[in-house]
Amino acid sequence: QKEVEQDPGPLSVPEGAIVSLNCTYSNSAFQYFMWYRQYSRKGPELLMYTYSSGNKEDGRFTAQVDKSSKYISLFIRDSQPSDSATYLCAMGERDRDDKIIFGKGTRLHILP
Amino acid sequence: ETGVTQSPTHLIKTRGQQVTLRCSSQSGHNTVSWYQQALGQGPQFIFQYYREEENGRGNFPPRFSGLQFPNYSSELNVNALELDDSALYLCASSPGQRRTDTQYFGPGTRLTVL
Repeated sequence: QKEVEQDPGPLSVPEGAIVSLNCTYSNSAFQYFMWYRQYSRKGPELLMYTYSSGNKEDGRFTAQVDKSSKYISLFIRDSQPSDSATYLCAMGERDRDDKIIFGKGTRLHILP
Repeated sequence: ETGVTQSPTHLIKTRGQQVTLRCSSQSGHNTVSWYQQALGQGPQFIFQYYREEENGRGNFPPRFSGLQFPNYSSELNVNALELDDSALYLCASSPGQRRTDTQYFGPGTRLTVL
């Protein structure tokens, strides 16, 4: 079983819809959870950073962490064509190795 | 824009050659990490430098090496290139010392090995 699983998509939704992106993980030592957005031919851009179970909201974005189920989500409200990108989840543990693992990314298309 | 720049944008090399990729971090960011992102995959950690010393390494062979300079620039060197080295190479700088601190990625260098 891979440490981080993420559905690669592509996921196509109409403009204005709520988007739900998800990752599951197997390593219970992960303490830090991140979502990055990556446009084509660009580097990843940090969207959300959380380190506890529960919800964190920033504008149209909400990150949700459920450590008991080893499941994290990113919700995008009122989706826009400019949200079309690849979304990467990433998880880290603060031990001696300071490991951080990325998911494969989900390609999202918002249809005008 | 993150303020992190990388050069060159694209590079084509042949198997067995050597390549040097460059990164310029944000001023004040003492940590730089390098990642390899193959097509359709997430970034994989190569190594990290803090104040010019390597302080973490992923599962990459010794032919991947790096340097960090006092002026917030850094290099990734890859010797004896293999076809599987074709990927997007990303550097990320951070004001903190740990990889789990917030990282700011550059746009990447796309390397093609023929």
